This record gives sequence, C-alpha cells and structure tokens, in this order.
Amino acid sequence: QQQVKQSPQSLIVQKGGISIINCAYENTAFDYFPWYQQFPGKGPALLIAIRPDVSEKKEGRFTISFNKSAKQFSLHIMDSQPGDSATYFCAARESGNQFYFGTGTSLTVIP
Amino acid sequence: GAVVSQHPSRVICKSGTSVKIECRSLDFQATTMFWYRQFPKQSLMLMATSNEGSKATYEQGVEKDKFLINHASLTLSTLTVTSAHPEDSSFYICSAQHAGNTIYFGEGSWLTVV
Repeated sequence: QQQVKQSPQSLIVQKGGISIINCAYENTAFDYFPWYQQFPGKGPALLIAIRPDVSEKKEGRFTISFNKSAKQFSLHIMDSQPGDSATYFCAARESGNQFYFGTGTSLTVIP
Repeated sequence: GAVVSQHPSRVICKSGTSVKIECRSLDFQATTMFWYRQFPKQSLMLMATSNEGSKATYEQGVEKDKFLINHASLTLSTLTVTSAHPEDSSFYICSAQHAGNTIYFGEGSWLTVV
C-alpha cells in the first residue's frame, strides 16, 4: 500500500515555466513532509520541507504548498531551469517512525 | 546541510563473495540510519532501519542473513551483502537521521555482481 501518492510520473516544462508536483497522503499522523531532489547516479538531496502547522514554505525558487484538510502537498518550482532536471521525491513521516516516499517525478526542463 | 558519506561509490564483486558498504555521518551523530535499495527509475525501497547499539529492523521480504547491517557507532553503519548474486546488483543508498525529523542521504553505492 502506497502511503504517499505522487503525480505526475514525469513532467516536461519549458525553461522559465513553473513545475508543479503533487503528493497526497492518508495518515493524519504524518507531521513532516520533505521533498528530495535526485540526479542520476546520486543520492537524494533534501530540497525543502514543511510541517503541517503552516500552509506554505518558500526557499528561493522552490515553494511547498500544504493543504492539511485535503491531505495534499505540492512542490512548485518557479522559473524552472534546465539544471532543475532531476527526479523529485516527496516524503512523509510520523514522528519517530520511518519515512514513506512517493514514487518520484522525473522533471525535464527544456531550453 | 549535514553530510553523509557513503563508500564505496561503485563496487564490482564476483558472485558468491561478500561486499561491505559504509555509511558515515560526517558532522553529526545519527542514532538512526536507514538503508535503501533503488532500481532504475524507481523510488527508494526501504530495506532496514539501523539503530546504534541494537539490531537492525528489516522490512518485510528483506533477508537479514543476506543483508547484514551493523551500526556500531553514532556515525557509522555498514551494510554487508553476503554471498552476492547478480540479482543483488543495484544502487544502495543510506540515510542518517539528524536532529529529529530531518534525514540526509549518502551519495549511494552502485553494486555490480558478476
């Protein structure tokens, strides 16, 4: 059973556009929601994370939007660049327990 | 961010031999480390949770006698793939828990069993 559902599986965006990746969960006990960026052949790198007591967090061009009532959260990449081309994973964790990862989104930013 | 080092980054071993992969938290102490396996273009599959000073907790379907995990110190966990077979060839990634919720990943280790 997939604890965190991620969509789309792949995404193609033009340079300068906005990339949006969505995740949904069911477990209301989750209290930490990070996003990871992974380049081919490398380990995932923490990009940005949010806790459910806020609805939005922004770091540079990356923004997490969090909708607690809908049990959804999304990653927005503004002004997308070719260097942003990577696989993005959302995750969720219940304090003290393991992380559950989404299935990943392969983002391609075309010049 | 915190740094997690994984070694080796690539290893080739013969079928039937064992290979050890190390995961170190370089600038923080990690009471909990995680080991994942990742197949091409797929998500991370949690293999086991490693707690310092105690036995690892393996996920269902993961053979604990084949994938030996040792977490002897607060900065080092090792994964030993015993009697490796070609089907064990994969990308293995560790992560370390830092300051509560945050986890940081190592760079991963490519294992090829020939």
